[in-house]
Amino acid sequence: DAGVTQSPTHLIKTRGQQVTLRCSPISGHKSVSWYQQVLGQGPQFIFQYYEKEERGRGNFPDRFSARQFPNYSSELNVNALLLGDSALYLCASSLHGSSGELFFGEGSRLTVL
Amino acid sequence: KQEVTQIPAALSVPEGENLVLNCSFTDSAIYNLQWFRQDPGKGLTSLLLIQSSQREQTSGRLNASLDKSSGRSTLYIAASQPGDSATYLCAVPSSPTGANSKLTFGKGITLSVRP
Repeated sequence: DAGVTQSPTHLIKTRGQQVTLRCSPISGHKSVSWYQQVLGQGPQFIFQYYEKEERGRGNFPDRFSARQFPNYSSELNVNALLLGDSALYLCASSLHGSSGELFFGEGSRLTVL
Repeated sequence: KQEVTQIPAALSVPEGENLVLNCSFTDSAIYNLQWFRQDPGKGLTSLLLIQSSQREQTSGRLNASLDKSSGRSTLYIAASQPGDSATYLCAVPSSPTGANSKLTFGKGITLSVRP
């Protein structure tokens, strides 16, 4: 079975642009969470979606938004990119919306110039 | 606010050594604790999940223990190999009831196993 898949794997944007990152959870998993990891730090929680509804939001500005589709895949959108948005964006899926075991994808490496 | 600390930030050991990685958390009312492995530039691989009612979990050469009262968890790696070189992170849910999957992570311990 495929694990959590994310696309694109790498991308480069310039300040002020917008980016969309995509995630497909493990088959059967209904919850998707997004995390941002900057170099040398642990991942920071951005969003969780469960059954297409937002279950939680971390301390990130409104430039960050996300959604979950009927097939449980998810998109993370970041508007008006800043240099500080450069990071590895990780998607994780879990079977339920509660704190069960999380399974992460390989991430999308975003560089903002 | 839950805080997770992992010290030291980096560790270098010779191959074959048994080692312990430490994780501490400030709020003992945790739902569970999860250990992850991260290779450079890659995603996180789940190693072990310990429920709050459990004292330890084992998978192969890995053993994780949990002491909620003292706010500590340890990851024991037996007979370390160069392939174990990676960053190891621990994480706990922010909700004590496990109502969501918002995890608080430590910064990780970067392990280097010398041949």
